[in-house]
Amino acid sequence: AQSVTQLGSHVSVSEGALVLLRCNYSSSVPPYLFWYVQYPNQGLQLLLKYTSAATLVKGINGFEAEFKKSETSFHLTKPSAHMSDAAEYFCAVSDRAGANNLFFGTGTRLTVIP
Amino acid sequence: NAGVTQTPKFRILKIGQSMTLQCAQDMNHNYMYWYRQDPGMGLKLIYYSVGAGITDKGEVPNGYNVSRSTTEDFPLRLELAAPSQTSVYFCASEGSGANVLTFGAGSRLTVL
Repeated sequence: AQSVTQLGSHVSVSEGALVLLRCNYSSSVPPYLFWYVQYPNQGLQLLLKYTSAATLVKGINGFEAEFKKSETSFHLTKPSAHMSDAAEYFCAVSDRAGANNLFFGTGTRLTVIP
Repeated sequence: NAGVTQTPKFRILKIGQSMTLQCAQDMNHNYMYWYRQDPGMGLKLIYYSVGAGITDKGEVPNGYNVSRSTTEDFPLRLELAAPSQTSVYFCASEGSGANVLTFGAGSRLTVL
């Protein structure tokens, strides 16, 4: 069975600082990995996804994530935080396409300090 | 705009009452899902559907029922509401099976 662990339920960064949100996965087969973002009072939306093409995946709003098989990690980064990045971020894993195969982490709430 | 529409946005129920959360999508997606979101717990799958007339249980189905009579609609029914069902409920849909979900804005339910 697959699962994800997000280290740190809350992360605070200063505006302009590096954003690093950590995600480690467990999967018995090559995984599909996702980052979803949830802005206040909204549903989740896809930020980026890894599907075994390039290991460095670029997403919306300047975010990117790198798949590292040796570390079973898929950390999310952004070089310079903006106030509008304040949101909750969810890492998710799937081992195949199809319904009921997406498992979410518990989320990391990002606060950006002006 | 195309997307997933959930109603109501907020609802307060008394213990033992019943209600239906409505979900509709206009993207002709086959897959639809109901999740609940509790603080610090992430999203838990309640029920899902792979097409009209086909539904199946997710991780936390107890106390809920669903139906899928059309491609567009996927209502979630709560029977005999309990305080443990206080949560934010999200409906989502997906067309390709690639796990790229489109979420509704959520329905916040409080059971007192």
